[in-house]
Amino acid sequence: TQLLEQSPQFLSIQEGENLTVYCNSSSVFSSLQWYRQEPGEGPVLLVTVVTGGEVKKLKRLTFQFGDARKDSSLHITAAQPGDTGLYLCAGPEWGSQGNLIFGKGTKLSVKP
Amino acid sequence: GAGVSQTPSNKVTEKGKYVELRCDPISGHTALYWYRQSLGQGPEFLIYFQGTGAADDSGLPNDRFFAVRPEGSVSTLKIQRTERGDSAVYLCASSSGGLTGELFFGEGSRLTVL
Repeated sequence: TQLLEQSPQFLSIQEGENLTVYCNSSSVFSSLQWYRQEPGEGPVLLVTVVTGGEVKKLKRLTFQFGDARKDSSLHITAAQPGDTGLYLCAGPEWGSQGNLIFGKGTKLSVKP
Repeated sequence: GAGVSQTPSNKVTEKGKYVELRCDPISGHTALYWYRQSLGQGPEFLIYFQGTGAADDSGLPNDRFFAVRPEGSVSTLKIQRTERGDSAVYLCASSSGGLTGELFFGEGSRLTVL
């Protein structure tokens, strides 16, 4: 069974701080995605990483896919209150066309 | 509409009752997915449609759960003889491609079984 474990589960920081959250698995994934979910909303895709070692930047957010394609990280520089939300990583189950496996998420709170 | 629409947004029912949850995907999206999200958890896969057919229903927990998409657009998730453990947010998503593409999620239907 492919599982994605995310850490930390909760993170509360002050505006302007940097942070990194992690997504780890013992299984290889063909790709990983990061979503952000706000209360009462569905997840919204931030990025998809496909190649081992790949780094993608989205403004203040930097995403990295591990060389072995078993893990990923999300680094936020100079966090802002608008970054508050639940960050979920997800990857397709091998052999499935429909099952996107999600981690439990990291709940981030950025205080002004 | 511009996005994925789900109705109702909130449903409270009694144990043993039947419920239907509706999903209206983005126009033109052939792939439609149902997920269930319990408190403190990530979304959990239920079923995937490609067009009118259920291409993968391996995530449905038991035979009380059933979903249809008769015309390849709107989908309905049906739950018979609801149990308290069915309480969760049911999310629908649609996409124009596979799982490496973007899934567009609706806001979800929050089901509470008393």
